[in-house]
Formats: sequence, structure tokens, C-alpha cells
Amino acid sequence: DAGVIQSPRHEVTEMGQEVTLRCKPISGHNSLFWYRQTMMRGLELLIYFNNNVPIDDSGMPEDRFSAKMPNASFSTLKIQPSEPRDSAVYFCASTLRGGVSNQPQHFGDGTRLSIL
Amino acid sequence: KQEVTQIPAALSVPEGENLVLNCSFTDSAIYNLQWFRQDPGKGLTSLLLIQSSQREQTSGRLNASLDKSSGRSTLYIAASQPGDSATYLCAVSAGNQFYFGTGTSLTVIP
Repeated sequence: DAGVIQSPRHEVTEMGQEVTLRCKPISGHNSLFWYRQTMMRGLELLIYFNNNVPIDDSGMPEDRFSAKMPNASFSTLKIQPSEPRDSAVYFCASTLRGGVSNQPQHFGDGTRLSIL
Repeated sequence: KQEVTQIPAALSVPEGENLVLNCSFTDSAIYNLQWFRQDPGKGLTSLLLIQSSQREQTSGRLNASLDKSSGRSTLYIAASQPGDSATYLCAVSAGNQFYFGTGTSLTVIP
């Protein structure tokens, strides 16, 4: 049973470059979440989707961040242009049958992003 | 805004000891509370989820309790093992948001 799959596992790029993070949720799960984890701020919810539709993007820090879910098995988080303060570990998670309120979340192993 | 606090930030115990991790939150209007485990370089693994109407959940050597009125949850680990060494995070669900604590780093010494 494959879990949530994220790619790449590590990304190092220069300031100003576009960064695209990818996520494949668990098959059959209809809710998907993007998180960012830093030492200073801990884990923060950036955005979540229900049935491929963005429900709450209030955690997206700036217009430089965008997320899409074109189908039930794929989502992207894009940062353009990237800045050093975007360096963090970005996690994707999915749940079965519903939004934030009632199901345990299953996390991917994350993408460690470093912006130089 | 919901604030979630976990104390202590780090804990070191000898193998076999029973231990309690604490989580507190400021707003009792929550849907549920979840305890996670995070190993270095890995994502979070869900351990237990307690619905707001429940008082506790158990899984093997783990027992989590929830007292909504006082804004507290505890995670009890019985007969700790070196393999339990990890960071433990709690998260509360409220509205469309998940609010995470900063975690307790647990080391179980053989």
C-alpha cells in the first residue's frame, strides 16, 4: 500500500528561481493538504483541497506561492520567485472522505527545500 | 487564534519507564485532537485521533486523553522502548485549520 509520495526529496536552488513541489496522495483519499515546517514556526497549514477544489488557502504566505490539484492523484505547490526565507521542509498529507475535521492525516516524507 | 503548546520540549527516560507527554490548547472549540510521531527526516505518522466528543483513545502501549474544557491532552506511553525515540506532536482541528504544537523530543535510553 503506497503512502503519500512527494518529489523531489531535496531541492537546492538559487534565489529568484521557480520551484515546483509535487505530491501524489493515497489512492481513494479525497482531501489533500500542503504544510511547511521550520524550526522557528513549526508546522503550518498552507492550503487544503477537497475533491480537487481548494477549500482554504489562508495559510499561503504570499502571492509567490500557488497550489493546484488538476486531478485526484496529483498536486503541485509552486513558488515563483523563490526567496531564502522559503527554505523549509514542505509536507503533503491526504485523508479519506472529508476535510480537516474528522479523519487522521497521512503524511509524505516531505521535500527539503533550500534557497540560496 | 488557537495556540498549541507542548511541554516539555525534550524528555529523556530509561527504557521500561512509563511516561506522559502534555499538550495544551487555548480554544476549546475543536473538532478533534491528533497525536503524531515524527522520525528524523520523515513525515508525520498518525498515532491516535480523539474526536471532540471522546475522552480517550488507546492503541497498544499508547493512551491519549482529552479534556476539552481545560484545553489539555496527554499521551501516555507504557513500558517505553528505544524504538519510541522520536518527536511527538499534537494537533487540534478547528474550522478549516489544523494547529500543531512544536513537539516533544523523546529519547529512550537502552
